[in-house]
Amino acid sequence: AQSVTQLGSHVSVSEGALVLLRCNYSSSVPPYLFWYVQYPNQGLQLLLKYTTGATLVKGINGFEAEFKKSETSFHLTKPSAHMSDAAEYFCAVSDRNNQGGKLIFGQGTELSVKP
Amino acid sequence: DAGITQSPRHKVTETGTPVTLRCHQTENHRYMYWYRQDPGHGLRLIHYSYGVKDTDKGEVSDGYSVSRSKTEDFLLTLESATSSQTSVYFCAIRETSGGAREQFFGPGTRLTVL
Repeated sequence: AQSVTQLGSHVSVSEGALVLLRCNYSSSVPPYLFWYVQYPNQGLQLLLKYTTGATLVKGINGFEAEFKKSETSFHLTKPSAHMSDAAEYFCAVSDRNNQGGKLIFGQGTELSVKP
Repeated sequence: DAGITQSPRHKVTETGTPVTLRCHQTENHRYMYWYRQDPGHGLRLIHYSYGVKDTDKGEVSDGYSVSRSKTEDFLLTLESATSSQTSVYFCAIRETSGGAREQFFGPGTRLTVL
């Protein structure tokens, strides 16, 4: 069965530093890939997605992610962290053959940003 | 704003009582989903619907039932709530078939079962 692993349940960076949140998936056929962000007491908001084409995907709030098939990875980055980036981030996948579009989520990574 | 509301937003109930959570959308999207969020588990799919009266199970469906009698409403019922069902419940919607389209999430319902 498909699974998603996010390395590190908590990541702490200083304001202005690089943000790197890691995500690996398990399937041999590359799925559709998503990153969502959740601010406290709110629902999830889509940051970016990869479906096909260019492997470097740009999203909202300065985030981007690169799909690497050989590494079965879809890591999320942002060059310079801002205090407002503090939130929980979820990587999710959807099988290409799944018409129901069900999402499989990683465990989540809580990002804290130090002043 | 994806036009999704959930009610109630917070609920405290006792073990053994029935509970119904409601998800309402104004987007007329075909697909609707119920997830639960627990620390260390991310979000896990409970049930989903691909049309009126068309539903299917997700990975954690035991103890839950759903109904969808009209496009805009998707109800999640805990027939007899247990403490293990204490969680935050999210509804999501999606417009089309296929997995490439993203899901839009509601604000969540925090359920506590004592």
